[in-house]
Amino acid sequence: KQEVTQIPAALSVPEGENLVLNCSFTDSAIYNLQWFRQDPGKGLTSLLLIQSSQREQTSGRLNASLDKSSGRSTLYIAASQPGDSATYLCAVAPYYNTDKLIFGTGTRLQVFP
Amino acid sequence: AAGVIQSPRHLIKEKRETATLKCYPIPRHDTVYWYQQGPGQDPQFLISFYEKMQSDKGSIPDRFSAQQFSDYHSELNMSSLELGDSALYFCASSPAGPPSNYGYTFGSGTRLTVV
Repeated sequence: KQEVTQIPAALSVPEGENLVLNCSFTDSAIYNLQWFRQDPGKGLTSLLLIQSSQREQTSGRLNASLDKSSGRSTLYIAASQPGDSATYLCAVAPYYNTDKLIFGTGTRLQVFP
Repeated sequence: AAGVIQSPRHLIKEKRETATLKCYPIPRHDTVYWYQQGPGQDPQFLISFYEKMQSDKGSIPDRFSAQQFSDYHSELNMSSLELGDSALYFCASSPAGPPSNYGYTFGSGTRLTVV
């Protein structure tokens, strides 16, 4: 059974720092992995999608890497800003059933001025 | 760009009542997924539809049913509501059926509160 873990569960940093959020999954048979952002009580905003054949994806200050063999993905946020404060969720699409995204429990990030 | 539209945004119901949640996918997306997110929890898959047929089913109670219509919008019907059904319900859509090369686009969710 696929399990997705995110570390740390919470993170509080001053503005301007570069951050690394970690996502681990137990079964490397995945179709893709997606990073989302969720503001309190709000919907999920897709940040980056990495296919299983890819190693990384970049969008602006965000960079996500994928090491499928070791079951890990990292989300790198450069020059963090208070507006980055949110919960970040990673989700994997298992190769055997891509309808069911398996979500991690998230990293709650707070960036203070 | 058009996004996934969910209605209503908020819904308050009493126990044992019925609720209907609606989801309008992005144009030309033919696959719809429903997820439930309880307080402080990660989203859990409920059910999905591809080309108006049920594609897969997760941990969806028998009291819930869903369908996808000819215009690809979907409705989640919830009957005999219980306090534990209070949650944020998300709909997501993707093009070209599962598995998706394009990822999933989620709506803003419907917050259901059962009192």
